[in-house]
Amino acid sequence: EVQVVESGGGLIQPGESLRLSCAVSGFTISSNYMIWVRQVPGKGLEWVSHVYYSGGTDYSDSVKGRFTISRDTAKNTVYLQMNSLRAEDTAVYYCARGGSSWSIDYWGQGTLVTVSS
Amino acid sequence: QSALTQPASVSGSPGQSITITCAGTSSDIGDYDYVSWYQQHPGKAPKLIIYDVNDRPSGVSNRFSGSKSGNTASLTISGLQAEDEADYYCSAYTISSTSVIFGGGTKLTVL
Repeated sequence: EVQVVESGGGLIQPGESLRLSCAVSGFTISSNYMIWVRQVPGKGLEWVSHVYYSGGTDYSDSVKGRFTISRDTAKNTVYLQMNSLRAEDTAVYYCARGGSSWSIDYWGQGTLVTVSS
Repeated sequence: QSALTQPASVSGSPGQSITITCAGTSSDIGDYDYVSWYQQHPGKAPKLIIYDVNDRPSGVSNRFSGSKSGNTASLTISGLQAEDEADYYCSAYTISSTSVIFGGGTKLTVL
């Protein structure tokens, strides 16, 4: 059974850092591309970052230079290091697996990040 | 990269069919058949219901179907049921950023 479980969210002040974790079971992350998508409560979805099975990474313009995606294949876990957080980064962050042709076929339950003073 | 354009809301009665549109550009929907649709119930994670414009993952009802014409993709739900009431999002690959963009979402109300 596939499971994608995020953790690490919480309340944090502007300018601070936070690292999200995404523990995966049921498939190996090194053979898939993994994605972080966020959703402001009550709003739409926004692609944040992804890491290809090759290890290459990409970021949305809104987080480039502040967020870093990484993975530990031994732990089958993906991370999102978020630095210099802003109020507009407040959202539920979903970790997910990239499926066929840029679809997203498995999603975690999400973890809420609130950036506020 | 701007989001894909969806209507904010649609509604229909049980048993009816509804269609949700998703307008993009020649840099995304128009040039690639990498269109997906997601269903999201309140408080839940999105669920993939359509990929590659009109393919359904295993276990998804055949009441859901997708299509594309030019720069616009569409999701049709036939035989509406109460449990179909949810938010629906389209997504597409875009060459502009070599990643995925989403539509703003459509709230489906089953009357």
